[in-house]
Order: sequence, then structure tokens, then C-alpha cells
Amino acid sequence: EPEVTQTPSHQVTQMGQEVILRCVPISNHLYFYWYRQILGQKVEFLVSFYNNEISEKSEIFDDQFSVERPDGSNFTLKIRSTKLEDSAMYFCASKGAGETQYFGPGTRLLVL
Amino acid sequence: KNQVEQSPQSLIILEGKNCTLQCNYTVSPFSNLRWYKQDTGRGPVSLTIMTFSENTKSNGRYTATLDADTKQSSLHITASQLSDSASYICVVSGNSGGYQKVTFGTGTKLQVIP
Repeated sequence: EPEVTQTPSHQVTQMGQEVILRCVPISNHLYFYWYRQILGQKVEFLVSFYNNEISEKSEIFDDQFSVERPDGSNFTLKIRSTKLEDSAMYFCASKGAGETQYFGPGTRLLVL
Repeated sequence: KNQVEQSPQSLIILEGKNCTLQCNYTVSPFSNLRWYKQDTGRGPVSLTIMTFSENTKSNGRYTATLDADTKQSSLHITASQLSDSASYICVVSGNSGGYQKVTFGTGTKLQVIP
């Protein structure tokens, strides 16, 4: 069964460094999403992406964040200058024609 | 403000027993409601999705109900198994300004014990 994959599974970085989280959505899906989950808290929506542009973003998704679909398969989330509070699990999800979003396994980001 | 409240926060049940998890929401306008199962450290996995016109939907031992008038949903798990131990998250989507707004609940942490 096709699934969303994410790399790396874990990332440790220094505060102020840039990180890029990568996602490979399910191949025929057209809608892509990033979410984050701070340890012990609920999942929060960051951004949705369709037709090569952001369709919606939350208040969390400020100028430090950007998303890109650099080729036909990858979907990336970049954090330009990481802060301690960016430490979280970041989930990518994709959706096809139906309503169900399929989540990846997540990237655990730790900012020191 | 869009909110999704779930209860109980946590629940311990014996293997083989049934349980019901609750979700109340204030998301408006409403588009759909989804229940996800999330194992610790993993991404959420979709269990059911319901739109405004659906009151109940089943997926194996999971049955979700929706009352759009009272803005309540429940997830009933029948004949629980040890592998059902996870967090169960209610997620409500609404349309606002042409975009989907997705609000996650805080989840119910279920532990099934032998």
C-alpha cells in the first residue's frame, strides 16, 4: 500500500541553524500538508499546499518557515533560523481526490 | 474560536471490553469530522471521516457517530485489543474564506490491559 515517507526520522540542530525536512507524498496525490506536534501537546496545522502554491497557513507558519515542491516527488519544509521552541515532531500529509489525509511517520526535530 | 474538546483525557480498559470516546466541537462552518489513531511517536492514521449528512460510520471494530446539531461525535471501540492502545484524536475541518481550517483535539489516551 502506498505511504507517505519522511526524512530524516530524527534531526538535532543548533539554535539559529537552518533545517530542511523532507517528505515524499503518495504519488498521485495533489494536496500536501505540514503539521507539528510539540511533545505532550496536540497536533497543530502549519500549512497546506496545492498546485505549487500555499493554499492556507496557520499563525505558526511565520516568515521563518517555507515550503517547496522542488521536483515532482518531494515536498519540503524549511525552517530558516531554528528556535528552541521549534523542537517538535513534524508530520507531512498528502491527500488525493478524497477527503482522507495520509500522514507520514514524522521527523523528530530537536533544537539545542 | 474553533475548538475541539475530547473526553476523557485518558482511559484504561480491560482487553475485550468496549469503550466510547467523546468529541465536542465548535468549528463553524463545518465540513467534516475525522477520527485518527496515533501510536506513540508515529503519525496519525485515519479511522473514519464523516460529513455533515452522515450520522454513523464503521471501520471494523471502530464505529463513529456524529450529531451535527449538538456538534458532538463519539468513537466506539468494540472488543478492545491490546493493539488498540494509542491516542485517539478527533479532527474537525471547516471552510473559511474558501480555505479548509483544520482543528485537532487534544486526544484521548487509551490503554488496553490484559
